[in-house]
Amino acid sequence: KQEVTQIPAALSVPEGENLVLNCSFTDSAIYNLQWFRQDPGKGLTSLLLIQSSQREQTSGRLNASLDKSSGRSTLYIAASQPGDSATYLCAAPSNDYKLSFGAGTTVTVRA
Amino acid sequence: DAGITQSPRHKVTETGTPVTLRCHQTENHRYMYWYRQDPGHGLRLIHYSYGVKDTDKGEVSDGYSVSRSKTEDFLLTLESATSSQTSVYFCAISEESPQETQYFGPGTRLLVL
Repeated sequence: KQEVTQIPAALSVPEGENLVLNCSFTDSAIYNLQWFRQDPGKGLTSLLLIQSSQREQTSGRLNASLDKSSGRSTLYIAASQPGDSATYLCAAPSNDYKLSFGAGTTVTVRA
Repeated sequence: DAGITQSPRHKVTETGTPVTLRCHQTENHRYMYWYRQDPGHGLRLIHYSYGVKDTDKGEVSDGYSVSRSKTEDFLLTLESATSSQTSVYFCAISEESPQETQYFGPGTRLLVL
């Protein structure tokens, strides 16, 4: 069974600082990895899906990297803003292709 | 935003009562999922569907059943609700595979007293 871990559980940074969010997974034979954002009381919003053949995927200020061999993915958010405050979750498929989610990193960007 | 709605959005019920949650999509996606989200456990898959009348169990399926009679609707039923089923329930969809981007609904908050 795929186990996904996100450390730290919470992060607080001043506005303008770059954010680095970590995700590790136990089964490196993954097809892809997804990053989501969840605002309080809301559903999940897909941010990036990075294929196993890619090393990086970018969308605006967001950049996700994937290192299958080490079982790690990192989400970078450049020049953080208060609107980036949310919980960020990563999800990796198990060998039956179903997604396993990390517990998330809750980010607070201080104005 | 993907066209996914869930109803009801909030529900309070009593132990032993049957409860049905509905997920409706307008995207004509093949795969639909029910997850529950709990503090300390994160998101866990309950059941999923890969087509009309085609469903399978997820990680935490005990006490839940599902049905999909139309592409656009996926129902989750708690046959006899228990307090341990108090949770936030999310529906999600993906177009052709579980490995594609999953799009989530707004969630249903269920409280079982």
